[in-house]
Amino acid sequence: SQTIHQWPATLVQPVGSPLSLECTVEGTSNPNLYWYRQAAGRGLQLLFYSVGIGQISSEVPQNLSASRPQDRQFILSSKKLLLSDSGFYLCAWDRVTGANVLTFGAGSRLTVL
Amino acid sequence: GENVEQHPSTLSVQEGDSAVIKCTYSDSASNYFPWYKQELGKGPQLIIDIRSNVGEKKDQRIAVTLNKTAKHFSLHITETQPEDSAVYFCAARRTGTASKLTFGTGTRLQVTL
Repeated sequence: SQTIHQWPATLVQPVGSPLSLECTVEGTSNPNLYWYRQAAGRGLQLLFYSVGIGQISSEVPQNLSASRPQDRQFILSSKKLLLSDSGFYLCAWDRVTGANVLTFGAGSRLTVL
Repeated sequence: GENVEQHPSTLSVQEGDSAVIKCTYSDSASNYFPWYKQELGKGPQLIIDIRSNVGEKKDQRIAVTLNKTAKHFSLHITETQPEDSAVYFCAARRTGTASKLTFGTGTRLQVTL
């Protein structure tokens, strides 16, 4: 069966510090990978998605970047965090073939102070 | 692009009553409509989905109905229980390799004793 892992689960960082959130998927190959952000009490905002290694599409301009160094690994980064980067970050995956159900990770809560 | 509207934003029901959450979508080519449940501090989990070739789908106490002519779909929860309290998201997508889910803004359901 497929599983998605996301870490760290919680993170408190000062303004101006770097960020790295990591996501890996097991049990499948060539997944589509996504990063979403959820501000407190708000909906799901798609930040980045990737259909293959090195292929990243950005949905909104921002202080963040994403990379996909391996087929099942997706990384969300920032060189200098802003207060507005605080939120709940969710990684997700699906596949074009088969049932194509979007499955989310457990999330990473980032607080920027 | 697709636009999904979800109502109500908050819903409070007594235990044992039914709850209904409604969504409308704009893209007539959308043909896949999932519903996600997000408990506090966790990632959204798929609870039920429907594809455009059917009008209704049931899974125990939850059901989803789809009206393609009117471009709206609804989630019905019967005999609500306290553990049904969560945020629920609807979404829509059309078939295609480049197609991504568009989410509604979420409904916070509170089941009171």
